Amino acid sequence: DGGITQSPKYLFRKEGQNVTLSCEQNLNHDAMYWYRQDPGQGLRLIYYSQIVNDFQKGDIAEGYSVSREKKESFPLTVTSAQKNPTAFYLCASSILSRAGDGYTFGSGTRLTVV
Amino acid sequence: GESVGLHLPTLSVQKGDNSIINCAYSNSASDYFIWYKQESGKGPQFIIDIRSNMDKRQGQRVTVLLNKTVKHLSLQIAATQPGDSAVYFCAGTSGTYKYIFGTGTRLKVLA
Repeated sequence: DGGITQSPKYLFRKEGQNVTLSCEQNLNHDAMYWYRQDPGQGLRLIYYSQIVNDFQKGDIAEGYSVSREKKESFPLTVTSAQKNPTAFYLCASSILSRAGDGYTFGSGTRLTVV
Repeated sequence: GESVGLHLPTLSVQKGDNSIINCAYSNSASDYFIWYKQESGKGPQFIIDIRSNMDKRQGQRVTVLLNKTVKHLSLQIAATQPGDSAVYFCAGTSGTYKYIFGTGTRLKVLA
């Protein structure tokens, strides 16, 4: 079955530590996205990528970094510069050739600072 | 700035009743909208979509209505079931691959 896989499901980070969240898709989608979700708030865009080796900042990119070395993979690193990283992180993908075709979301990673 | 928002944070309905979840958007250039359902601890799932050249679209037990004049859309769920309990998001785009998401409405189905 095609889909988008995020791992791990739960992640704990110590103060000052960098952590990387994995996102893999086998849908042959062109674009991939990272969103952050906080309680009572909508999804906020962190980074997105339309093509391999290229990505753009979203609305809240500070303290995060990404790479897109393969079409299937779009890992997100939460750096120590991100002061409030505790949140639910969602990865999504979409086909660009059909504008407005919607996203397929992963099941999310819940990150907690300990 | 551009926004997509929902009128109510929580909606409680009796099992078997119809549910109506509302959403307002600010960008008049938005031409495609999607409703997503998100269960606790999971990623959002596509429910139904609608393009701006339509006023209404029906799916299985769900209907989306779009009123471009007042920039409002709604999701109607017929005969609401316990499995419908979730957070519902609307999202809109103006023809790009980026969507603006609302804050979500939590639907609670009462037995």
